[in-house]
Amino acid sequence: AQTVTQSQPEMSVQEAETVTLSCTYDTSESDYYLFWYKQPPSRQMILVIRQEAYKQQNATENRFSVNFQKAAKSFSLKISDSQLGDAAMYFCAYRRGGTASKLTFGTGTRLQVTL
Amino acid sequence: EPEVTQTPSHQVTQMGQEVILRCVPISNHLYFYWYRQILGQKVEFLVSFYNNEISEKSEIFDDQFSVERPDGSNFTLKIRSTKLEDSAMYFCASRDSHSGANVLTFGAGSRLTVL
Repeated sequence: AQTVTQSQPEMSVQEAETVTLSCTYDTSESDYYLFWYKQPPSRQMILVIRQEAYKQQNATENRFSVNFQKAAKSFSLKISDSQLGDAAMYFCAYRRGGTASKLTFGTGTRLQVTL
Repeated sequence: EPEVTQTPSHQVTQMGQEVILRCVPISNHLYFYWYRQILGQKVEFLVSFYNNEISEKSEIFDDQFSVERPDGSNFTLKIRSTKLEDSAMYFCASRDSHSGANVLTFGAGSRLTVL
């Protein structure tokens, strides 16, 4: 079974600084996708960034980027120039390739952004 | 931008009562999912649905749960006889078959409180 591990229950970053959230996963599949979702206090799940396993290039979305290390099965999220609105729970998620296969989430990292 | 819509946003019910949570997925999406998040815990997969049948279900999705797509737009989750431990946020998600990275789009969630 696939597992997703987020070893940091809580992280804190000062506004305008950079923070990295860790995620590791375990799979025997070669075709899969990785995601980071943000869950603000409203509890809606918002996609932050995604990565296809077959792509070597790390995904980037504005201030958000990932460090995808396929051999190490590591998928960390870097948030640059942190803003107060970045404060939320961040969930790493895995999905194997295929039709209806499900997302498997990690336990989440709560990010606090301080002034 | 297209949205997944969930109703009700919050429902309070007595233990043993039936509850139906409703979802309107994005109109051209073909795959549908329900997830559950107990307060303070991770997001857990319940069931996936494609081509008018269940594709996969978790061990949480026991005989008390059922899903239905009664018409071309709604996707419902029914809990026949609610228990205290069913109190959670329930998220509906949908996905089309052509999205490049197989992204699931989540609704804002339905909070269920069982008394």
